[in-house]
Amino acid sequence: EADIYQTPRYLVIGTGKKITLECSQTMGHDKMYWYQQDPGMELHLIHYSYGVNSTEKGDLSSESTVSRIRTEHFPLTLESARPSHTSQYLCASSELGPYSPLHFGNGTRLTVT
Amino acid sequence: AQKVTQAQTEISVVEKEDVTLDCVYETRDTTYYLFWYKQPPSGELVFLIRRNSFDEQNEISGRYSWNFQKSTSSFNFTITASQVVDSAVYFCALSESGGFKTIFGAGTRLFVKA
Repeated sequence: EADIYQTPRYLVIGTGKKITLECSQTMGHDKMYWYQQDPGMELHLIHYSYGVNSTEKGDLSSESTVSRIRTEHFPLTLESARPSHTSQYLCASSELGPYSPLHFGNGTRLTVT
Repeated sequence: AQKVTQAQTEISVVEKEDVTLDCVYETRDTTYYLFWYKQPPSGELVFLIRRNSFDEQNEISGRYSWNFQKSTSSFNFTITASQVVDSAVYFCALSESGGFKTIFGAGTRLFVKA
């Protein structure tokens, strides 16, 4: 049974629309992450968070924004979707220490037409 | 700077063959952690194993085994008697003690044919 949930699983949306990808975890993890991945390809870190009210940009420049108002919730928002945003978005969480493995959600596959 | 290299982009084997997935890492830290993850066609990454830099003991779990060698900065993953269900993309990853981010390799796609 998954402890980290992402919705929606698939999303097809038109250019210019605002979208929010949801991610929630029930493990009480302080660290949360968003990765962008073309299917089966390299993972690119786009945002991460140490805890509530903490967010940082990752290695890959992204036009998305995130918020962390509650420990368990880490939504990602695209204000104006473009075809270049078409990708898979993976949310993950972990405990604070660097030794902690990441727990991944099953991803949101986004297509912008 | 930390870096993880998985030189094998794709590997194709026939069921029951043994296969080794290579992982080479770079780090300046003396304390670090190495991981392997599996991403089956369903898309969800699953954690397989963690090794810390002070523990070079190899590990075996069923058909899976991991060989960690600090001298060559490698953390290779072997699947013995491969099965079709092993078909997936496998990622090697590195986390440094003083860092926050986990760095992933580019992944190796394994095809196991019946």
